[in-house]
Amino acid sequence: TAGITQAPTSQILAAGRSMTLRCTQDMRHNAMYWYRQDLGLGLRLIHYSNTAGTTGKGEVPDGYSVSRANTDDFPLTLASAVPSQTSVYFCASSVGTRLFNEQFFGPGTRLTVL
Amino acid sequence: KNQVEQSPQSLIILEGKNCTLQCNYTVSPFSNLRWYKQDTGRGPVSLTIMTFSENTKSNGRYTATLDADTKQSSLHITASQLSDSASYICVVPRPDSNYQLIWGAGTKLIIKP
Repeated sequence: TAGITQAPTSQILAAGRSMTLRCTQDMRHNAMYWYRQDLGLGLRLIHYSNTAGTTGKGEVPDGYSVSRANTDDFPLTLASAVPSQTSVYFCASSVGTRLFNEQFFGPGTRLTVL
Repeated sequence: KNQVEQSPQSLIILEGKNCTLQCNYTVSPFSNLRWYKQDTGRGPVSLTIMTFSENTKSNGRYTATLDADTKQSSLHITASQLSDSASYICVVPRPDSNYQLIWGAGTKLIIKP
């Protein structure tokens, strides 16, 4: 099985433009997450979803939005990109949101905002 | 303040040698701690989870230890291989949240032939 796929692999985006990062999982996991990873910092949670139809804010949600229309897909949208959103973005999923559940990660999207 | 700190920040060792990576946490109450391995350009992959009552757990050449009294965990790698080159990240659940984890910044390990 593919696990979690993310697209695009990388992107250069002009400041002020919008963009949607795609994430799809085939493990039928209930919970999904979006993180950003910046040099020297631990992963930071942007948004999460406990189950299809519900979403919640993480640690750094400003400037980002998500939707969870079905179990498999969890897109992340930047409405108006700013340079501080330059980062590597990881999508993850887990069976549930109980905190001992292992999270499974996609390969990441490297985004550069100029 | 709930924090997870890892040391060293980076480490270079020769292939075949052993190494130990450290993780200190200030999270309370504590429930579990997980170690992830992240290869360059890839997402993290879980190596092992340590619960409150566990002191040591092995996964092949990886052995994790936990001392809940001193709030420390270590990851020992035996007979290192080139494929062990990666970042190793320690993660602890945030006690005031049902969904959020506290991720350490990781230790970047480089194995040289």
